[in-house]
Amino acid sequence: DVKVTQSSRYLVKRTGEKVFLECVQDMDHENMFWYRQDPGLGLRLIYFSYDVKMKEKGDIPEGYSVSREKKERFSLILESASTNQTSMYLCASSSLLAGTYNEQFFGPGTRLTVL
Amino acid sequence: AQSVTQLDSQVPVFEEAPVELRCNYSSSVSVYLFWYVQYPNQGLQLLLKYLSGSTLVKGINGFEAEFNKSQTSFHLRKPSVHISDTAEYFCAVSHYGGATNKLIFGTGTLLAVQP
Repeated sequence: DVKVTQSSRYLVKRTGEKVFLECVQDMDHENMFWYRQDPGLGLRLIYFSYDVKMKEKGDIPEGYSVSREKKERFSLILESASTNQTSMYLCASSSLLAGTYNEQFFGPGTRLTVL
Repeated sequence: AQSVTQLDSQVPVFEEAPVELRCNYSSSVSVYLFWYVQYPNQGLQLLLKYLSGSTLVKGINGFEAEFNKSQTSFHLRKPSVHISDTAEYFCAVSHYGGATNKLIFGTGTLLAVQP
């Protein structure tokens, strides 16, 4: 089974801190994604990556950056956390292999609170 | 551009009653369709998917969905729900043969099963 793990389930940070959210997948997937989930808004794509060191902006990239130095690891960085970044953050991965149809596999999520 | 609409933000239902969660999509090309489920404080897991072929798709936990191309819908159904089905359900669409590997998600429907 595909396993996507996220470094923390719950995280509390202060305004202005630099925050790192880590995601690791063990199935050699090419694509990795970061979403934030807020009530009534569903999942919104922050950034995604289709290869090592490659990244593309999603729908809401402002205030975030990402890093993908190794294929299995995709990090989300909040350069200076703000209270409006309090949210649930979900990482996902998917394969480029034919027959996978862009199905995504999700981690358990990190609930981030910024005080 | 693709989009997904889940008109019902919340669906209350009594245990053992049938339920239908609605999903409509818009796309000018052929699509792949997915339903994901998110139990409280967990990530998303795949419930079922439509890729091609039979328009009636069966998934896990007794759920099924029917693809209707003329109505651009992919409604999720279960004939008899259990308390344990209480969760948020997300419909998603992917572009057939497209250059992007992204999924477009609806805003989710909270299924609240009452005893």
